[in-house]
Amino acid sequence: DAKTTQPPSMDCAEGRAANLPCNHSTISGNEYVYWYRQIHSQGPQYIIHGLKNNETNEMASLIITEDRKSSTLILPHATLRDTAVYYCIVRVALNDYKLSFGAGTTVTVRA
Amino acid sequence: GAGVSQTPSNKVTEKGKYVELRCDPISGHTALYWYRQSLGQGPEFLIYFQGTGAADDSGLPNDRFFAVRPEGSVSTLKIQRTERGDSAVYLCASSLVGAGTGELFFGEGSRLTVL
Repeated sequence: DAKTTQPPSMDCAEGRAANLPCNHSTISGNEYVYWYRQIHSQGPQYIIHGLKNNETNEMASLIITEDRKSSTLILPHATLRDTAVYYCIVRVALNDYKLSFGAGTTVTVRA
Repeated sequence: GAGVSQTPSNKVTEKGKYVELRCDPISGHTALYWYRQSLGQGPEFLIYFQGTGAADDSGLPNDRFFAVRPEGSVSTLKIQRTERGDSAVYLCASSLVGAGTGELFFGEGSRLTVL
């Protein structure tokens, strides 16, 4: 699977949008971009995934560049409960079970 | 609730002891996974079950680690002769295969401390 690069940490103001970048310059055409997050003392939680097109759900939006070498997860209105470690992962297929989590980005939302 | 359940939530043991960690997946999920997470790191894959059989155990660090899923539902991760380096959070996840988003549903983990 392609490797991902994320900043180790970032702060965000409550109520503002949080934009989390991820680089995956070696991504292959059949690899999906997945985002999970892990709140302290909990297991990872799925957020969103995409292949080529931008995606939006009730939790977040995923913007994938046209060349697919990078993406941005957007939390539109960050709350204190969004404080967590966010992992950007690439997977070959929807049933690829060996998720490579990496170190992720620790996001701290401040009041 | 209807989520993945793991027991115990915390386990403290002494070096050299045997430990069992249990995972009860979401009902109807045929796929089950074990991951291990050391402090400050992301989870690392250990083993994957499809039904009763271990489809891929390549992530198990050595032969002291073993996992079973005899009836295709509950799984037990077994660690023999525990070492201090085994201290970590052991996460279990389950999923549907071939349907939906391919999302893995994780439990809250079992925190193992080896003294």
